[in-house]
Order: sequence, then C-alpha cells, then structure tokens
Amino acid sequence: AQSVTQPDIHITVSEGASLELRCNYSYGATPYLFWYVQSPGQGLQLLLKYFSGDTLVQGIKGFEAEFKRSQSSFNLRKPSVHWSDAAEYFCAVDTNAGKSTFGDGTTLTVKP
Amino acid sequence: DTGVSQDPRHKITKRGQNVTFRCDPISEHNRLYWYRQTLGQGPEFLTYFQNEAQLEKSRLLSDRFSAERPKGSFSTLEIQRTEQGDSAMYLCASSGGQPPYEQYFGPGTRLTVT
Repeated sequence: AQSVTQPDIHITVSEGASLELRCNYSYGATPYLFWYVQSPGQGLQLLLKYFSGDTLVQGIKGFEAEFKRSQSSFNLRKPSVHWSDAAEYFCAVDTNAGKSTFGDGTTLTVKP
Repeated sequence: DTGVSQDPRHKITKRGQNVTFRCDPISEHNRLYWYRQTLGQGPEFLTYFQNEAQLEKSRLLSDRFSAERPKGSFSTLEIQRTEQGDSAMYLCASSGGQPPYEQYFGPGTRLTVT
C-alpha cells in the first residue's frame, strides 16, 4: 500500500522568505501526486498536481513542486511567502485507483 | 458551477444518536469520495462511488457507518449510535470518471459527539 510522509509538522518562515515543504511517498510505480492547502475550518484546495511529463509543475498562488523519482519526493516550493500563505499543507498520492492517501500535513506560520 | 457542497457544516450530537450528512458533488462528476479528518491528521479515505455504485469501503468504515448515492448525484453518509471517537471533520470530494482523478473537495462537516 502507498504511504506519504511529510517530515515537517510545523514550519515558520518570515514574510518574503522562500519556502520548501517536503513530501516523500512510498509506492512501486509513479503515482499521481498532489499538493493541497487547507485554511482553518475549511476544505482542501488543490494547489498543483503531477501526472506525467515535465517534473517541475506550476500551481496556483505562485507555488511550484518538483517530482524526483530517484528520491520518491514531491517537494513544494514558493520563492517569496506572503502572510496569506499561512495554512496547513497536505501532500497526497493516488495510485490510479481514484482514492488518495494523504500525509499528516505541515502547518506553515508566516512571521511579519 | 458552485463546487462541492456539504450540509450541515457543523453538527453537535449526543453519544448514541444517529447523524446523517449530505454531499452534493460538482454536477458533471461521476465519482464521489468520503474522507474523515481528525485534528492534526491528514484526511483518511472512507469510501467512494462511481455513479451510484459503491466501489470501495475502507476498513475504517465500521458497520455503524453507511453511505449511499441512490441516483448517482448527491450522497449521504450516516453514522448510527455515534461514539465520541467519531468526532471529526467529514470531507466529501468529487472527480471525473477517468484517471487521473483530480478531486475537488467540499468545505466539510464538523461532527462533535458529546
């Protein structure tokens, strides 16, 4: 069965600083990969996705992620964080079965 | 399109009572998913439908839980004889019927069992 690990439970960055959130997955083949953002009390909003092709994918709100097959990783990045980016971020994998397996999330705090 | 909607947004119930939640997916989506999320955790898969057929149920879904999608449109999730451990956010998502299954989530129903 597939699994997802987000090693950082909580990250704090200063506004304007760069951000990288880590995601590692365990699966025998290349899965579909997703990053979601969740604000307090809200559902999940899809930031970006990787299905195939170019391993660097662009998403909404200035986020990007890079798929590295050799490291089984799909890390999320943003060059300059805004205070409104403070939220919880989830990485998820789908092995073509249609149901997603999520990591436990990383909470992002943005310092002014 | 208004996206995925869920009703109610919040539900407080006493232990032992039955509760039912509703999810209305994006109209052209034929797949519908239910997840449960507890504090500090990512969403956990419960079950999903393709049209009206329930294709898979997680072992997390005890026999107190039942989900239906009678006409392949909206879905209901019922929990019988609620327990305090059922307190969680229940999330619904929908997607098209072909891979990759890009899921769109509703706002969730927060259940508190007292």
